[in-house]
Amino acid sequence: EAGVAQSPRYKIIEKRQSVAFWCNPISGHATLYWYQQILGQGPKLLIQFQNNGVVDDSQLPKDRFSAERLKGVDSTLKIQPAKLEDSAVYLCASSLGPEAEAFFGQGTRLTVV
Amino acid sequence: ILNVEQSPQSLHVQEGDSTNFTCSFPSSNFYALHWYRWETAKSPEALFVMTLNGDEKKKGRISATLNTKEGYSYLYIKGSQPEDSATYLCAAETSGSRLTFGEGTQLTVNP
Repeated sequence: EAGVAQSPRYKIIEKRQSVAFWCNPISGHATLYWYQQILGQGPKLLIQFQNNGVVDDSQLPKDRFSAERLKGVDSTLKIQPAKLEDSAVYLCASSLGPEAEAFFGQGTRLTVV
Repeated sequence: ILNVEQSPQSLHVQEGDSTNFTCSFPSSNFYALHWYRWETAKSPEALFVMTLNGDEKKKGRISATLNTKEGYSYLYIKGSQPEDSATYLCAAETSGSRLTFGEGTQLTVNP
């Protein structure tokens, strides 16, 4: 079974630039999560999709972050413009639904300089 | 925002020692408690998903217990090995499959 794919693995950008991350979840997984993990902290939920609908985006900084999941499969997360404090690992995960384990991608390590 | 707390924040043990970590979570609107292991340069990997009060699960030398009434879970590692070195994350699942993570316990097992 193919796992959750994310790209790129690493990205270095200057502040005020834009960046996009891509996630391909496990086939058949309706639930897709984007988490931000800042060094020394636990993963923080940015946005959760159920198929192509948003379930929770309460912690997404909507003035600069956006995400979409077209056709309920792949998802992209965009930051525009980036700030220094956006430096983090961005994790994508998917699951079958309630009480099912989440499967994670390897993450994208973003450095904003 | 749900408050999920883990302790200790970090732990150093010697090979062969047994150890345990704690995860505490609000017991209201509870659906499940997840434990994940996150090794450096790898993806977080699920260890257990537990739903019922009193649940106990085991995978090799690692086991976990769940108390939903008081809102805590313990993760135990028996006879720690260097390959157990990782960050152990717990997550409380609430309605809508929402997963809220704690800050993790970073375990280092010295040979």
